[in-house]
Amino acid sequence: AQTVTQSQPEMSVQEAETVTLSCTYDTSENNYYLFWYKQPPSRQMILVIRQEAYKQQNATENRFSVNFQKAAKSFSLKISDSQLGDTAMYFCAFTINTGTASKLTFGTGTRLQVTL
Amino acid sequence: NAGVTQTPKFRVLKTGQSMTLLCAQDMNHEYMYWYRQDPGMGLRLIHYSVGEGTTAKGEVPDGYNVSRLKKQNFLLGLESAAPSQTSVYFCASSYATSGVTNEQFFGPGTRLTVL
Repeated sequence: AQTVTQSQPEMSVQEAETVTLSCTYDTSENNYYLFWYKQPPSRQMILVIRQEAYKQQNATENRFSVNFQKAAKSFSLKISDSQLGDTAMYFCAFTINTGTASKLTFGTGTRLQVTL
Repeated sequence: NAGVTQTPKFRVLKTGQSMTLLCAQDMNHEYMYWYRQDPGMGLRLIHYSVGEGTTAKGEVPDGYNVSRLKKQNFLLGLESAAPSQTSVYFCASSYATSGVTNEQFFGPGTRLTVL
């Protein structure tokens, strides 16, 4: 079974600073996807960024980037120039590419607070 | 497009009562999913569907039933609600097309309390 571990229950960062959220996962599969989802107080789950395991290049989406270390099974999220609107729960998630429904396995989340 | 919608947004039940949560998507997605989210935990998959008329069990299926009679709708039923089913329920949907990186689109959630 696949597991996803987020070891930081809560983090805080000042506006305009950079913060890194950690995620590790465990799998014996070789073809999979990794995601970071954001859940603001509105409860809506919003996809932040995704990474295909077969791609060596780290994914980047504007202020969000990942450090994907496949051998170490690590998938951290870096948020640059943090904004107040980044305050949210962040979930790391994993799915195997089976060619059918992508059943996501989530970590327990990191609560990020962006302060002035 | 409305995306993924869920009905109702909130509900309070008494132990033993039954109810159905409705999920609807207008993106013509083949796959649909039901998750539950409990405090201190990530989302956990209850049931999923790969197409109209088909359903399958996820990680925590006990106490729930599902149906997918129409492609755009996915229903989650609780026949006899228990306090352990107090949770926030999320529906999601995704494409089946190969090459698309399995992104799931989520609904806004339903907060269910069982007394």
